[in-house]
Amino acid sequence: AQTVTQSQPEMSVQEAETVTLSCTYDTSENNYYLFWYKQPPSRQMILVIRQEAYKQQNATENRFSVNFQKAAKSFSLKISDSQLGDTAMYFCAFMKPGGTSYGKLTFGQGTILTVHP
Amino acid sequence: NAGVTQTPKFRVLKTGQSMTLLCAQDMNHEYMYWYRQDPGMGLRLIHYSVGEGTTAKGEVPDGYNVSRLKKQNFLLGLESAAPSQTSVYFCASSDRGPSTDTQYFGPGTRLTVL
Repeated sequence: AQTVTQSQPEMSVQEAETVTLSCTYDTSENNYYLFWYKQPPSRQMILVIRQEAYKQQNATENRFSVNFQKAAKSFSLKISDSQLGDTAMYFCAFMKPGGTSYGKLTFGQGTILTVHP
Repeated sequence: NAGVTQTPKFRVLKTGQSMTLLCAQDMNHEYMYWYRQDPGMGLRLIHYSVGEGTTAKGEVPDGYNVSRLKKQNFLLGLESAAPSQTSVYFCASSDRGPSTDTQYFGPGTRLTVL
């Protein structure tokens, strides 16, 4: 079974600065997907970024980028130029595609990020 | 532009009561999921469906039943609610295929069982 660990329960950053959220996972699979989801106080789960394990290039989405280290089983999220609207709980998630596990996400415990003005 | 919707948004039950949570999606997605979110534990998969008329157990299925009679709807039932089922419930959907594995979530239902 896969496990996802987020070792930082809470993080804080000043507006306009950069912050990195950590995520590690454990799997014996070679092909899989990794995701970062954002959950603001509204509770809505919003996809931030996704990474396919077979791709060596790190995914980026505007101010959000990942550092994917497959050998180390590490998948960190970097938020540049932090904005007040980035304040939320961030979840790292793993998915193994195919077979009976298709589409089943395994989530980490979450990291609460607070952006201060 | 509804995406995934859930009803109700809030509910309070007494122990032993039953209820059904409704999830609807208008994206013609094949896959639908029910998760529960508890403090400090992230989201855990309760049941899921890979298509109309099919359901399967997830990580924490005990005490819940589901049905997928129509492709766009996925119902989660609690036959005899217990305080341990106090949680926030999320529904999600995704399409088939490696390029569209992203799950889209509903706004959640906060359930309290007294």
